[in-house]
Amino acid sequence: GAGVSQSPRYKVAKRGQDVALRCDPISGHVSLFWYQQALGQGPEFLTYFQNEAQLDKSGLPSDRFFAERPEGSVSTLKIQRTQQEDSAVYLCASSPLAAGETQYFGPGTRLLVL
Amino acid sequence: GESVGLHLPTLSVQEGDNSIINCAYSNSASDYFIWYKQESGKGPQFIIDIRSNMDKRQGQRVTVLLNKTVKHLSLQIAATQPGDSAVYFCAETNFNKFYFGSGTKLNVKP
Repeated sequence: GAGVSQSPRYKVAKRGQDVALRCDPISGHVSLFWYQQALGQGPEFLTYFQNEAQLDKSGLPSDRFFAERPEGSVSTLKIQRTQQEDSAVYLCASSPLAAGETQYFGPGTRLLVL
Repeated sequence: GESVGLHLPTLSVQEGDNSIINCAYSNSASDYFIWYKQESGKGPQFIIDIRSNMDKRQGQRVTVLLNKTVKHLSLQIAATQPGDSAVYFCAETNFNKFYFGSGTKLNVKP
């Protein structure tokens, strides 16, 4: 019933640790997006799914970043061997439209890598 | 790459006044534009959108203007209220990618 949810809301990781961030989109939404938002900046596109298909992953900063949406609903963003520069808020958004318009954002996961 | 930017990083207005937040974009092929409001600790919240075949769209207390000639987008908020205090982002889309500007912080003074 509610909007997009993300978990955990906060994550502190030691450098080199792997993390997994979860996104529960609004039920039935076709499109799902992941964004990275640095402090004081606008969100930056990471990747986009249409149902279970990852149609665009050009925004992922390195091969340490991996996203999946195996059943076309819940999505996970995984970051391997985290680095300090990975510290940011990771936002997930879903849309009922294949083109991704009218995106509804979750509250984000704030990741701090020490 | 794409570039969506805002002219003013911070805007202070008196409660009850009208606010105008501006945004420039660089990709003339973008066909859809959105304004978002983001409060501290929350995700961006959709305010209003506009397609490139329009130059004006009105919502409740908000109006978006699009000038494709100079690639400029603005958000007008009428009778600004304290609850309007937030960071506002414009975004443009190109082939399912959404490009956000860096944001304007709106401070509403009582």
